Amino acid sequence: ELKVEQNPLFLSMQEGKNYTIYCNYSTTSDRLYWYRQDPGKSLESLFVLLSNGAVKQEGRLMASLDTKARLSTLHITAAVHDLSATYFCAPGGFGNEKLTFGTGTRLTIIP
Amino acid sequence: EAGVVQSPRYKIIEKKQPVAFWCNPISGHNTLYWYLQNLGQGPELLIRYENEEAVDDSQLPKDRFSAERLKGVDSTLKIQPAELGDSAVYLCASSLVGADEQFFGPGTRLTVL
Repeated sequence: ELKVEQNPLFLSMQEGKNYTIYCNYSTTSDRLYWYRQDPGKSLESLFVLLSNGAVKQEGRLMASLDTKARLSTLHITAAVHDLSATYFCAPGGFGNEKLTFGTGTRLTIIP
Repeated sequence: EAGVVQSPRYKIIEKKQPVAFWCNPISGHNTLYWYLQNLGQGPELLIRYENEEAVDDSQLPKDRFSAERLKGVDSTLKIQPAELGDSAVYLCASSLVGADEQFFGPGTRLTVL
């Protein structure tokens, strides 16, 4: 059974700082997804990483995937308040196979 | 383009009562998912449909949960009877067959008293 571990679970950081969220998973997976969830809202897709070494960037967020290490990272650069949310990683199989979500990282950006 | 639509958005019922949730996926999306999200946790898959066929229902508690997608478009998830532990958010998602990305609806927040 695939296990997904995110850390930290809670992260409080000041505006303007950089930080990284880590996502480790236990069995081989050829792709990984990052989602954002605001309180009381649904999940918004951020990144789809499809191969080993994949790196994607959108604004102040950058995600990478190392399938050999079974590790994905979500790096935040110069954080702003709008990035406050819970971030989930979810390794998945080919096509529409089951996504297994991590427990999430609750990120709070402090002015 | 309209996103995934779910209703109701909120539902409060007493234990042992039945409840049903409805989902309308994005037009043209053949694959539909129902997820359960407990407070402070990530979503967990309950069932996945490809068109009308439930291709993965291994995590659906079949003693009290049922789902259907009769015409391969809308879907209904039912709980009968509801228990206190069923209080959670029920999310519906859809995607194209073989596509990389799942699109989530706003969810139904169920409270069982």
